[in-house]
Amino acid sequence: EAGVVQSPRYKIIEKKQPVAFWCNPISGHNTLYWYRQNLGQGPELLIRYENEEAVDDSQLPKDRFSAERLKGVDSTLKIQPAELGDSAVYLCASSPETDTQYFGPGTRLTVL
Amino acid sequence: GENVEQHPSTLSVQEGDSAVIKCTYSDSASNYFPWYKQELGKRPQLIIDIRSNVGEKKDQRIAVTLNKTAKHFSLHITETQPEDSAVYFCAASRNDYKLSFGAGTTVTVRA
Repeated sequence: EAGVVQSPRYKIIEKKQPVAFWCNPISGHNTLYWYRQNLGQGPELLIRYENEEAVDDSQLPKDRFSAERLKGVDSTLKIQPAELGDSAVYLCASSPETDTQYFGPGTRLTVL
Repeated sequence: GENVEQHPSTLSVQEGDSAVIKCTYSDSASNYFPWYKQELGKRPQLIIDIRSNVGEKKDQRIAVTLNKTAKHFSLHITETQPEDSAVYFCAASRNDYKLSFGAGTTVTVRA
């Protein structure tokens, strides 16, 4: 079974530039999550989708972050404009109809 | 919201010895407690989980114990091997799929 796929794996941008991350969850997993992991810390939830509906986006900084999950499969997380403090690893996870979550490899974002 | 504290932050053990990582949680309604292993530059991988209706669960060299009264749970790794070296994260959730993670424990197994 293929795992959660994310791209790109690494991204370096200058501050104020936009950036987007893509995630393809495990086939058949209806629930998709985006997390941010700062260096030396555990992941923190940004947004959770049930199919195409964002059911928990309370931790998403909506002034600069946006996400979508069209057709309830792949998802894109966007930051515009990026700030220095956004440097982190952005992890995508998916789960079936349980609370067991499977993570992707992440995108390491560096904002200069 | 849920607050999960994890100790120690670093742990160095001799190969073959046991390693124990402890976590406490604040929300008494939490009922799902997974443990993830993350090697450098790689994805967090689920290694074991436990639900609140069980006090202990074991999978080969890994075991997890849960004390609901005290609101703490622990990961036990026996007969440690060099490939056990990684960062381990505990987490807790209350059936709403929102995992709250601890800060992680860096485990180093000395050969």
